[in-house]
Amino acid sequence: AQSVSQHNHHVILSEAASLELGCNYSYGGTVNLFWYVQYPGQHLQLLLKYFSGDPLVKGIKGFEAEFIKSKFSFNLRKPSVQWSDTAEYFCAVNSNYGGSQGNLIFGKGTKLSVKP
Amino acid sequence: GAVVSQHPSWVICKSGTSVKIECRSLDFQATTMFWYRQFPKQSLMLMATSNEGSKATYEQGVEKDKFLINHASLTLSTLTVTSAHPEDSSFYICSFSGLHNPGELFFGEGSRLTVL
Repeated sequence: AQSVSQHNHHVILSEAASLELGCNYSYGGTVNLFWYVQYPGQHLQLLLKYFSGDPLVKGIKGFEAEFIKSKFSFNLRKPSVQWSDTAEYFCAVNSNYGGSQGNLIFGKGTKLSVKP
Repeated sequence: GAVVSQHPSWVICKSGTSVKIECRSLDFQATTMFWYRQFPKQSLMLMATSNEGSKATYEQGVEKDKFLINHASLTLSTLTVTSAHPEDSSFYICSFSGLHNPGELFFGEGSRLTVL
């Protein structure tokens, strides 16, 4: 069965620090990869996605993620975080092969707290 | 992005009662909507896929008689938790997929259910 692992449950950083959140998935076929963000009191929203092509994906608000197929990883990065990046971040994957479009497999999420 | 409205955002009920959660797509006609459930510190788990005008498709382990899903129109899907018990206390989130990008979901704000 597919699964998604996010390595850190809670990350605390100071403003301007660099961020990298780990995400690994277990599925051998072609996958679509996503990072969703949930700001306090708000709904989940898409941060960035990878379907195919350039494995380095740029998202909103200065975030990027790199798909490394050999490592089954899709880590999220940002060179300099801001206090407004405080949120919970979810990595998700679904396969291109059959199944429901909604069958996104989510990681447990990483809570990011940025100290001003 | 598309807007999804979910109501109520939180509800407390007594054990044995039923609770209805509504999910509306405000600017998009959604033929397919998805219901997720999230336990504390756990990842989002797909419960069911709701197709307009037809019966919902439930994931393995989800009781269809307990979690009634109705998708009577292109803009409204409802989830009814029947005869709720404390173990049903959770965060329920609806979503629907975008037109062009499979797996890119737009989420409601979520509904926190507490069963006493």
